[in-house]
Amino acid sequence: EDQVTQSPEALRLQEGESSSLNCSYTVSGLRGLFWYRQDPGKGPEFLFTLYSAGEEKEKERLKATLTKKESFLHITAPKPEDSATYLCAVRYGNNRLAFGKGNQVVVIP
Amino acid sequence: DAGVTQSPTHLIKTRGQQVTLRCSPKSGHDTVSWYQQALGQGPQFIFQYYEEEERQRGNFPDRFSGHQFPNYSSELNVNALLLGDSALYLCASSLGVRTANEKLFFGSGTQLSVL
Repeated sequence: EDQVTQSPEALRLQEGESSSLNCSYTVSGLRGLFWYRQDPGKGPEFLFTLYSAGEEKEKERLKATLTKKESFLHITAPKPEDSATYLCAVRYGNNRLAFGKGNQVVVIP
Repeated sequence: DAGVTQSPTHLIKTRGQQVTLRCSPKSGHDTVSWYQQALGQGPQFIFQYYEEEERQRGNFPDRFSGHQFPNYSSELNVNALLLGDSALYLCASSLGVRTANEKLFFGSGTQLSVL
């Protein structure tokens, strides 16, 4: 059973068209939720850490939020350079880390 | 400040062969984790090294083994390669094993193709 589920798997946006990515998790004892950005052929790059429900973090056009069972990554007025795969990961239990499969985002000029 | 470096960047092997991948962590980091990322999938945790010992291990067979050296660099060895081992192998570094999964710094990976 997947511990971290991301939706939608793929998303095509027009430049400027805001949208949200979802990450739901089933682990107990959450010790942190992380968002990473991954460009093709590269390793993931850290974006945000969220620890408790209600927490929000922002960076440029990205805003991450956390509830008790899911997180959202909001992309406001995206630009083509925001095209990437966004990975969600959860830290739980004995310091375990589990990644989702990612949200592949393409922003069309 | 050098980030995480991995070598080689690409590798082609045949079934049954053995492979060694190398990783140098970000300057100042002492903990190294290895991940396998198949095409279209998220990274899957293989194992983590701290103080030259394997501290945690994911659900991978013992064909996958590793080592950490006194300078914190690390190797991943895979024996008896299978076609299913074809993937991007990522190394991630962090500081301290207790916070080792807080914020990971990843290398660009080694793309392994098994024919």
